[in-house]
Amino acid sequence: NAGVTQTPKFQVLKTGQSMTLQCAQDMNHNSMYWYRQDPGMGLRLIYYSASEGTTDKGEVPNGYNVSRLNKREFSLRLESAAPSQTSVYFCASSKKENTEAFFGQGTRLTVV
Amino acid sequence: GQSLEQPSEVTAVEGAIVQINCTYQTSGFYGLSWYQQHDGGAPTFLSYNALDGLEETGRFSSFLSRSDSYGYLLLQELQMKDSASYFCAVRAADSSYKLIFGSGTRLLVRP
Repeated sequence: NAGVTQTPKFQVLKTGQSMTLQCAQDMNHNSMYWYRQDPGMGLRLIYYSASEGTTDKGEVPNGYNVSRLNKREFSLRLESAAPSQTSVYFCASSKKENTEAFFGQGTRLTVV
Repeated sequence: GQSLEQPSEVTAVEGAIVQINCTYQTSGFYGLSWYQQHDGGAPTFLSYNALDGLEETGRFSSFLSRSDSYGYLLLQELQMKDSASYFCAVRAADSSYKLIFGSGTRLLVRP
């Protein structure tokens, strides 16, 4: 019963490098989300996908792109990493009608 | 858009009762929910209020007043393991269903 799986758990990037954070859920949820969490800032929505085939910007989308590959998978890409993107990234999923969201264990990203 | 405000920190004694408030501004939403997050962990769902009133789940209760744009999480019989961050969240009442979180309240339970 995996729930929401994120990879990698930890990553260190140099400024300007690119990478993709992977997220997959096995609960047949329609909606998927990417959040970043910085100290004292709570969870800020980067991008979300209300259903397969759709993606939309959240509160802080600049510097990121996403792909909803299929119903299970929702990836987050940093094309040119910046130190300001050092953060903990969480992927989450939920049914459209149900407010309960399930979170992955997070990716701790450091950009140097 | 949506915005939510919570106190940044609350301290309480083991065995006591503590209330964490959340005020929000939103053009429309499906309900108010609460999440708990321990240091180094992922947020986990605690409760959800779709309608006004009190919802009780064991030691935790949550309240919503739509007319006051206000809700709270009530934790009773505090235990040391309740030391964590608590977030309120609203789900947009449009086709996006996006989930927006408050900045969180850090609860410290003292012996």
